[in-house]
Amino acid sequence: IAGITQAPTSQILAAGRRMTLRCTQDMRHNAMYWYRQDLGLGLRLIHYSNTAGTTGKGEVPDGYSVSRANTDDFPLTLASAVPSQTSVYFCASRTGAKPSAFFGQGTRLTVV
Amino acid sequence: AQKVTQAQTEISVVEKEDVTLDCVYETRDTTYYLFWYKQPPSGELVFLIRRNSFDEQNEISGRYSWNFQKSTSSFNFTITASQVVDSAVYFCALSEEVQAGTALIFGKGTTLSVSS
Repeated sequence: IAGITQAPTSQILAAGRRMTLRCTQDMRHNAMYWYRQDLGLGLRLIHYSNTAGTTGKGEVPDGYSVSRANTDDFPLTLASAVPSQTSVYFCASRTGAKPSAFFGQGTRLTVV
Repeated sequence: AQKVTQAQTEISVVEKEDVTLDCVYETRDTTYYLFWYKQPPSGELVFLIRRNSFDEQNEISGRYSWNFQKSTSSFNFTITASQVVDSAVYFCALSEEVQAGTALIFGKGTTLSVSS
């Protein structure tokens, strides 16, 4: 692993199903983030975590949950997917020493 | 509250033209960072530059240059002699110090199309 890895790369999901998007980083960054990207809206913050064991809500948190059991992993869960959650999801991380966020390659999720 | 505005939704130019992408930001913090990211058609987000609020020096990197002006809260990005490979969505972003616990706040992006 080098940097941030997201899985899966893409997914088609039936509405009402539960889905966890995985994010793993090997840079030992304290802060991690989940964004969603939608056409014309840019990247919007869903949830963030400043350090292992803590999480916070971003701009569009409804319908999503996160956990941060350790430094490396920051999974995003959709408890019951809805079509409006169709989007491209990006995970990112950074530290105070390197404040430029590193991004994963993205997960394209389609909820039908 | 922090906000980033990229007023230009789409820009189309012909190769070798110069193009400037505008970014205006709002923040009440005295210490903050500004960023530009590029998202090519392949979809990944590529970091281009970071500026902290205490460094108003303009930056030039090859055909890319950035003009940071605190007086107008702007951080504009200029591509000189544009090329087809510059076609992408460009995002401007703003954040406080990482220790403050906030993420990067992005503008909505400017789609640049460079034709040959």
